Amino acid sequence: GENVEQHPSTLSVQEGDSAVIKCTYSDSASNYFPWYKQELGKRPQLIIDIRSNVGEKKDQRIAVTLNKTAKHFSLHITETQPEDSAVYFCAASSAGTGNQFYFGTGTSLTVIP
Amino acid sequence: EAGVAQSPRYKIIEKRQSVAFWCNPISGHATLYWYQQILGQGPKLLIQFQNNGVVDDSQLPKDRFSAERLKGVDSTLKIQPAKLEDSAVYLCASSTRLAEETQYFGPGTRLLVL
Repeated sequence: GENVEQHPSTLSVQEGDSAVIKCTYSDSASNYFPWYKQELGKRPQLIIDIRSNVGEKKDQRIAVTLNKTAKHFSLHITETQPEDSAVYFCAASSAGTGNQFYFGTGTSLTVIP
Repeated sequence: EAGVAQSPRYKIIEKRQSVAFWCNPISGHATLYWYQQILGQGPKLLIQFQNNGVVDDSQLPKDRFSAERLKGVDSTLKIQPAKLEDSAVYLCASSTRLAEETQYFGPGTRLLVL
Protein backbone atom coordinates (compact mmCIF):
# COMPACT_ATOMS: atom_id res chain seq x y z
CA GLY A 1 0.00 0.00 0.00
CA GLU A 2 0.85 3.67 -0.05
CA ASN A 3 3.44 5.02 2.41
CA VAL A 4 3.63 8.75 3.07
CA GLU A 5 6.56 10.26 4.93
CA GLN A 6 6.53 13.82 6.23
CA HIS A 7 9.35 16.08 7.42
CA PRO A 8 10.11 17.82 9.65
CA SER A 9 8.06 16.65 12.60
CA THR A 10 8.42 20.03 14.31
CA LEU A 11 9.16 23.43 12.85
CA SER A 12 9.59 26.81 14.53
CA VAL A 13 9.80 30.03 12.53
CA GLN A 14 9.76 33.70 13.30
CA GLU A 15 6.64 35.61 12.36
CA GLY A 16 6.94 36.84 8.80
CA ASP A 17 9.35 34.11 7.74
CA SER A 18 8.48 31.25 5.40
CA ALA A 19 7.79 27.64 6.38
CA VAL A 20 8.25 24.60 4.18
CA ILE A 21 6.98 21.08 4.91
CA LYS A 22 7.88 18.17 2.68
CA CYS A 23 6.21 14.82 2.00
CA THR A 24 7.18 11.83 -0.07
CA TYR A 25 4.93 9.03 -1.27
CA SER A 26 5.57 5.56 -2.61
CA ASP A 27 2.63 4.66 -4.86
CA SER A 28 2.98 6.09 -8.35
CA ALA A 29 -0.79 5.65 -8.81
CA SER A 30 -1.51 8.33 -6.20
CA ASN A 31 -2.98 11.33 -7.93
CA TYR A 32 -4.48 13.59 -5.27
CA PHE A 33 -2.51 15.31 -2.52
CA PRO A 34 -4.36 17.37 0.09
CA TRP A 35 -2.91 19.29 3.00
CA TYR A 36 -4.82 19.59 6.25
CA LYS A 37 -4.35 21.96 9.15
CA GLN A 38 -5.34 20.70 12.57
CA GLU A 39 -5.46 23.00 15.57
CA LEU A 40 -5.33 21.48 19.02
CA GLY A 41 -8.52 19.58 19.77
CA LYS A 42 -10.14 20.49 16.46
CA ARG A 43 -10.97 18.70 13.25
CA PRO A 44 -8.55 18.60 10.30
CA GLN A 45 -9.34 21.40 7.88
CA LEU A 46 -8.41 21.24 4.21
CA ILE A 47 -6.19 24.19 3.35
CA ILE A 48 -5.00 23.34 -0.14
CA ASP A 49 -4.80 20.37 -2.47
CA ILE A 50 -3.15 19.47 -5.74
CA ARG A 51 -3.82 16.90 -8.39
CA SER A 52 -1.19 14.99 -10.30
CA ASN A 53 -1.78 16.86 -13.55
CA VAL A 54 -0.63 20.11 -11.93
CA GLY A 55 2.88 21.01 -10.75
CA GLU A 56 2.08 23.94 -8.50
CA LYS A 57 -0.92 25.60 -6.92
CA LYS A 58 -1.11 28.79 -4.90
CA ASP A 59 -3.73 30.30 -2.65
CA GLN A 60 -2.70 33.62 -1.11
CA ARG A 61 0.12 32.83 1.34
CA ILE A 62 -0.07 29.08 0.83
CA ALA A 63 1.37 27.11 -2.08
CA VAL A 64 1.90 23.46 -2.85
CA THR A 65 4.35 21.98 -5.33
CA LEU A 66 4.34 18.47 -6.72
CA ASN A 67 7.17 16.52 -8.33
CA LYS A 68 5.64 13.35 -9.74
CA THR A 69 8.93 11.95 -10.96
CA ALA A 70 10.52 12.19 -7.54
CA LYS A 71 7.23 11.41 -5.77
CA HIS A 72 7.34 14.32 -3.41
CA PHE A 73 5.23 17.35 -2.70
CA SER A 74 5.71 20.32 -0.44
CA LEU A 75 3.68 22.92 1.41
CA HIS A 76 4.98 26.48 1.44
CA ILE A 77 3.61 29.11 3.78
CA THR A 78 4.92 32.64 3.29
CA GLU A 79 4.69 35.61 5.64
CA THR A 80 3.79 33.34 8.52
CA GLN A 81 1.50 34.59 11.27
CA PRO A 82 0.93 33.28 14.82
CA GLU A 83 -2.44 31.89 13.76
CA ASP A 84 -0.62 29.58 11.35
CA SER A 85 0.61 27.64 14.39
CA ALA A 86 -0.95 24.16 14.18
CA VAL A 87 -0.20 20.61 13.09
CA TYR A 88 -0.13 20.15 9.33
CA PHE A 89 -0.78 16.80 7.67
CA CYS A 90 -0.13 15.80 4.10
CA ALA A 91 -1.97 12.92 2.48
CA ALA A 92 -2.00 10.98 -0.75
CA SER A 93 -4.82 9.08 -2.41
CA SER A 94 -5.75 7.44 -5.65
CA ALA A 95 -9.00 6.49 -7.28
CA GLY A 96 -7.71 2.95 -7.51
CA THR A 97 -7.91 2.57 -3.74
CA GLY A 98 -11.29 4.28 -3.38
CA ASN A 99 -9.72 7.64 -2.65
CA GLN A 100 -8.83 6.64 0.88
CA PHE A 101 -6.25 8.96 2.35
CA TYR A 102 -2.81 7.85 3.51
CA PHE A 103 -1.64 10.52 5.91
CA GLY A 104 1.83 11.64 6.86
CA THR A 105 2.79 11.77 10.53
CA GLY A 106 2.26 15.51 10.82
CA THR A 107 4.37 18.62 11.32
CA SER A 108 3.86 20.79 14.37
CA LEU A 109 4.43 24.37 13.23
CA THR A 110 5.05 27.12 15.76
CA VAL A 111 5.19 30.71 14.59
CA ILE A 112 7.01 32.86 17.12
CA PRO A 113 5.69 36.44 17.37
CA GLU B 1 -23.90 23.85 4.80
CA ALA B 2 -23.86 21.81 7.99
CA GLY B 3 -20.67 19.87 8.63
CA VAL B 4 -20.02 16.30 9.66
CA ALA B 5 -21.45 15.64 13.11
CA GLN B 6 -20.05 13.20 15.63
CA SER B 7 -21.01 12.14 19.14
CA PRO B 8 -20.03 11.82 21.83
CA ARG B 9 -17.11 14.25 21.78
CA TYR B 10 -15.36 12.57 24.68
CA LYS B 11 -15.58 9.13 26.23
CA ILE B 12 -13.70 7.51 29.11
CA ILE B 13 -14.10 3.78 29.67
CA GLU B 14 -12.23 0.97 31.33
CA LYS B 15 -10.51 -1.74 29.35
CA ARG B 16 -12.72 -4.62 28.31
CA GLN B 17 -15.77 -2.36 28.23
CA SER B 18 -17.60 -1.59 25.01
CA VAL B 19 -18.17 1.80 23.39
CA ALA B 20 -19.99 3.14 20.35
CA PHE B 21 -19.45 6.28 18.28
CA TRP B 22 -21.94 7.93 15.97
CA CYS B 23 -21.40 9.93 12.79
CA ASN B 24 -23.81 11.91 10.65
CA PRO B 25 -22.16 12.94 7.35
CA ILE B 26 -22.90 16.01 5.31
CA SER B 27 -26.30 15.66 3.66
CA GLY B 28 -26.05 13.94 0.32
CA HIS B 29 -22.54 12.60 0.85
CA ALA B 30 -22.46 9.00 -0.29
CA THR B 31 -18.99 8.10 0.92
CA LEU B 32 -18.16 7.89 4.61
CA TYR B 33 -14.81 7.15 6.27
CA TRP B 34 -13.80 6.29 9.83
CA TYR B 35 -10.22 7.15 10.84
CA GLN B 36 -8.28 6.45 14.02
CA GLN B 37 -5.83 9.16 15.10
CA ILE B 38 -3.44 8.18 17.85
CA LEU B 39 -1.77 11.09 19.64
CA GLY B 40 1.15 12.43 17.63
CA GLN B 41 0.27 10.49 14.48
CA GLY B 42 -1.67 11.08 11.32
CA PRO B 43 -5.16 9.65 10.92
CA LYS B 44 -5.33 6.01 9.80
CA LEU B 45 -8.29 4.72 7.83
CA LEU B 46 -10.33 2.03 9.57
CA ILE B 47 -13.26 1.58 7.21
CA GLN B 48 -14.80 3.21 4.16
CA PHE B 49 -18.47 3.04 3.11
CA GLN B 50 -20.11 3.85 -0.19
CA ASN B 51 -23.79 4.31 0.68
CA ASN B 52 -24.50 1.30 2.91
CA GLY B 53 -21.80 -0.95 1.44
CA VAL B 54 -18.24 -1.44 2.69
CA VAL B 55 -15.57 -0.40 0.19
CA ASP B 56 -12.52 -1.13 2.34
CA ASP B 57 -12.17 -2.46 5.87
CA SER B 58 -8.73 -4.01 5.52
CA GLN B 59 -7.29 -2.02 8.45
CA LEU B 60 -10.23 -2.56 10.80
CA PRO B 61 -9.35 -4.90 13.73
CA LYS B 62 -12.39 -7.05 13.15
CA ASP B 63 -11.97 -9.09 16.31
CA ARG B 64 -13.00 -6.06 18.35
CA PHE B 65 -14.13 -3.29 15.99
CA SER B 66 -17.32 -3.21 13.96
CA ALA B 67 -19.04 -0.54 11.93
CA GLU B 68 -22.29 -0.19 10.07
CA ARG B 69 -24.15 2.25 7.90
CA LEU B 70 -27.46 0.48 7.52
CA LYS B 71 -29.46 3.16 5.72
CA GLY B 72 -26.56 4.72 3.89
CA VAL B 73 -26.60 7.90 5.98
CA ASP B 74 -25.57 7.73 9.67
CA SER B 75 -22.88 5.36 10.77
CA THR B 76 -21.81 3.80 14.05
CA LEU B 77 -18.41 2.45 15.01
CA LYS B 78 -18.22 0.04 17.93
CA ILE B 79 -15.34 -1.33 19.96
CA GLN B 80 -15.91 -4.42 22.07
CA PRO B 81 -13.94 -5.14 24.18
CA ALA B 82 -11.74 -2.04 24.34
CA LYS B 83 -8.00 -2.19 24.95
CA LEU B 84 -5.66 0.44 26.30
CA GLU B 85 -4.14 0.94 22.85
CA ASP B 86 -7.55 1.96 21.48
CA SER B 87 -7.14 5.33 23.20
CA ALA B 88 -7.26 7.77 20.29
CA VAL B 89 -9.41 10.27 18.48
CA TYR B 90 -11.91 8.65 16.11
CA LEU B 91 -12.59 10.87 13.12
CA CYS B 92 -15.44 10.52 10.69
CA ALA B 93 -15.18 12.07 7.23
CA SER B 94 -17.45 12.20 4.22
CA SER B 95 -17.28 13.05 0.55
CA THR B 96 -19.89 13.45 -2.14
CA ARG B 97 -19.08 10.24 -3.95
CA LEU B 98 -16.45 7.57 -4.27
CA ALA B 99 -14.66 9.32 -7.10
CA GLU B 100 -14.56 12.66 -5.30
CA GLU B 101 -11.31 13.28 -3.55
CA THR B 102 -12.21 16.08 -1.13
CA GLN B 103 -13.09 14.80 2.33
CA TYR B 104 -14.69 16.80 5.11
CA PHE B 105 -13.92 15.80 8.66
CA GLY B 106 -16.05 15.81 11.77
CA PRO B 107 -14.78 17.09 15.14
CA GLY B 108 -13.88 13.60 16.30
CA THR B 109 -14.56 11.53 19.40
CA ARG B 110 -11.72 11.44 21.90
CA LEU B 111 -11.59 8.02 23.58
CA LEU B 112 -9.58 7.26 26.68
CA VAL B 113 -9.35 3.64 27.81
CA LEU B 114 -8.16 3.17 31.40
